[in-house]
Amino acid sequence: EVQLVESGGGLIQPGGSLRLSCAASGFTLSSYEMNWVRQAPGMGLEWVSYISSSGTGIYYSDSVRGRFTISRDDARNSLYLQMNSLRAEDTGVYYCSRDHYSGFWALGDVWGKGTTVTVSS
Amino acid sequence: DIVMTQTPLSLSVTPGQPASISCKSSRSLLHSSGKTNLYWYLQKPGQSPHLLISEVSNRFSGVPDRFSGSGSGTDFTLTISRVEAEDVGIYYCMQNIYLRSFGQGTKLEIK
Repeated sequence: EVQLVESGGGLIQPGGSLRLSCAASGFTLSSYEMNWVRQAPGMGLEWVSYISSSGTGIYYSDSVRGRFTISRDDARNSLYLQMNSLRAEDTGVYYCSRDHYSGFWALGDVWGKGTTVTVSS
Repeated sequence: DIVMTQTPLSLSVTPGQPASISCKSSRSLLHSSGKTNLYWYLQKPGQSPHLLISEVSNRFSGVPDRFSGSGSGTDFTLTISRVEAEDVGIYYCMQNIYLRSFGQGTKLEIK
């Protein structure tokens, strides 16, 4: 079964750091482009970051650029999001998702269940 | 940044009736490749989002044919021909011609 499982969320004080992980199973991560998307409590979806299948193409939203770092370890079939200088507005559920091309782009054809990050003192 | 604006923000529909959601982008989503980078997702209550429509009108695998997408340039529409109870949730449009951004979401309820 194709699956993404996020972990690493928790309660962290403002200014602190967290590292989120996304473990892929049922497929080879190295063949896919991957994203992080977050959702603040009661709010809509916000795209956070993208990494290409090769790892050379990396993009961030303006709200996290300079504070968050996306990376991948294809040997471990895992995606990561290093989050530094955390702020209250970074609170939310963080999802990883996969992009797949099969004649047309299916952006987010697979999503994980998410991991919750709470930034509060 | 590209701003995605959805209307309405909520709608209540009787089962069997049609429903439409509009999504307007602040810039054209037509790529130089000729494809248009507009996607639709549904987030059912308590669940992760899932993909419905790719590149304006391509239904994703397993998506019922009562869902259809249309539009071009900056104006797009998601149509449900006959709403069913399982269609409740929040619908989002998303663009990826410049980074990615989502619309605010449209909450569909059943009357």
